[in-house]
Amino acid sequence: EIVLTQSPGTLSLSPGERGTLSCRASQNVLNKYLAWFQQQPGQAPRLLIFGASSRATGIPDRFSGSGSGTDFTLTISRLEPEDFAVYYCHQYGSSPTFGQGTRVEIK
Amino acid sequence: HVQLQQSGPGLVKPSQTLSLTCDISGDNVSTNSAAWNWIRQSPSRGLEWLGRTYSRSTTWYTTYAEHVKGRITINADPSKNQFSLHLNSVSPEDTAIYYCARVFALAGTWAMDVWGQGTTVIVSS
Repeated sequence: EIVLTQSPGTLSLSPGERGTLSCRASQNVLNKYLAWFQQQPGQAPRLLIFGASSRATGIPDRFSGSGSGTDFTLTISRLEPEDFAVYYCHQYGSSPTFGQGTRVEIK
Repeated sequence: HVQLQQSGPGLVKPSQTLSLTCDISGDNVSTNSAAWNWIRQSPSRGLEWLGRTYSRSTTWYTTYAEHVKGRITINADPSKNQFSLHLNSVSPEDTAIYYCARVFALAGTWAMDVWGQGTTVIVSS
């Protein structure tokens, strides 16, 4: 099983700041199988990024994904109030797994 | 516009079977371009993928996570355009929010792009 480790656990930022979230895999992950989700309280996760760097439909361009192999990054260029949430990375291989999440909170 | 609507009981007794259904609208459970998944979420274990079912050229396939293999069954009902989860011999550790989700072929890859609303299932006597 591929273990995904996200860092930091919590990111405290102000609106307008840049957020950088990391996801490290225990084994190589094919780029096309790496995704990022956002989850607001009481809601299901929402797909932000798939294929490591492609934005899902309707996702603003302030969200971007990058990386390859075992190291992936989600960047939020300028945080909007609605971006404060929990973010998960996910690999959809033969046995899918999720990271433990990074909480982005208002500083 | 694809939507997944979950149904099923929110309380299950220990040792019994947890059963949930996911109704699909806007897509077809028999499509070759998707796989139909169950995921759960709990504070102690986070998001856990449980398994999936999918059809390819009229043959059905299922894959299950190792940690629930032997207790889980996922099957599809094309006549009702739905798929279901059955998890037997449940214990309090199976208490979680359960989600169904579609994995869809997108731009040469696959992505979990549509989720159900979630069902909170509590295992308790």
